Amino acid sequence: AQSVTQPDIHITVSEGASLELRCNYSYGATPYLFWYVQSPGQGLQLLLKYFSGDTLVQGIKGFEAEFKRSQSSFNLRKPSVHWSDAAEYFCAAINFGNEKLTFGTGTRLTIIP
Amino acid sequence: ETGVTQSPTHLIKTRGQQVTLRCSSQSGHNTVSWYQQALGQGPQFIFQYYREEENGRGNFPPRFSGLQFPNYSSELNVNAMELDDSALYLCASAEGSGSYNEQFFGPGTRLTVL
Repeated sequence: AQSVTQPDIHITVSEGASLELRCNYSYGATPYLFWYVQSPGQGLQLLLKYFSGDTLVQGIKGFEAEFKRSQSSFNLRKPSVHWSDAAEYFCAAINFGNEKLTFGTGTRLTIIP
Repeated sequence: ETGVTQSPTHLIKTRGQQVTLRCSSQSGHNTVSWYQQALGQGPQFIFQYYREEENGRGNFPPRFSGLQFPNYSSELNVNAMELDDSALYLCASAEGSGSYNEQFFGPGTRLTVL
């Protein structure tokens, strides 16, 4: 079955430190991949997406993600986090022609001063 | 350009009742998708409408149904509600068909079934 796995339920990072959130997918073919962020009381916002081409993708708010086919991974990174980055982060995937966008269970990010 | 809006914000219902949730998409967006997000989980795809026709459905029973209207609004109807239907319901709109187009999410409706 197609699935997206986010192994880390909760991550705590100091402000200014680097961040990496993990995402693994299980699909028959390489899917389209997305990272979304959800802040309390707000809808999900797209950070970045990967369809093909350069495996290092730049997104909004200083985030980037790297697609690694050999590891079936699409990890999200940020060199230096800000207190405003505290939120829930979701990795998602979809196969072309299939309208079902599949989300992982999310990683909650806490920032400490 | 206004974003995606949903109403109501919160709703409390009793098991067995029926509910209608509403979504107003961004102007020009022909696709609307609905998701169920249980507490501590990621959103689960319910179904998608493109130009008023259902064009994709997740693993949800038929008592979950929807409508999309020409004025970029849509509805999610849930009949014979069960306790497990308690969740945050999200709608998302996009230009064109296909969920690979960027989806713009509303803030959601928090539904509690007692």
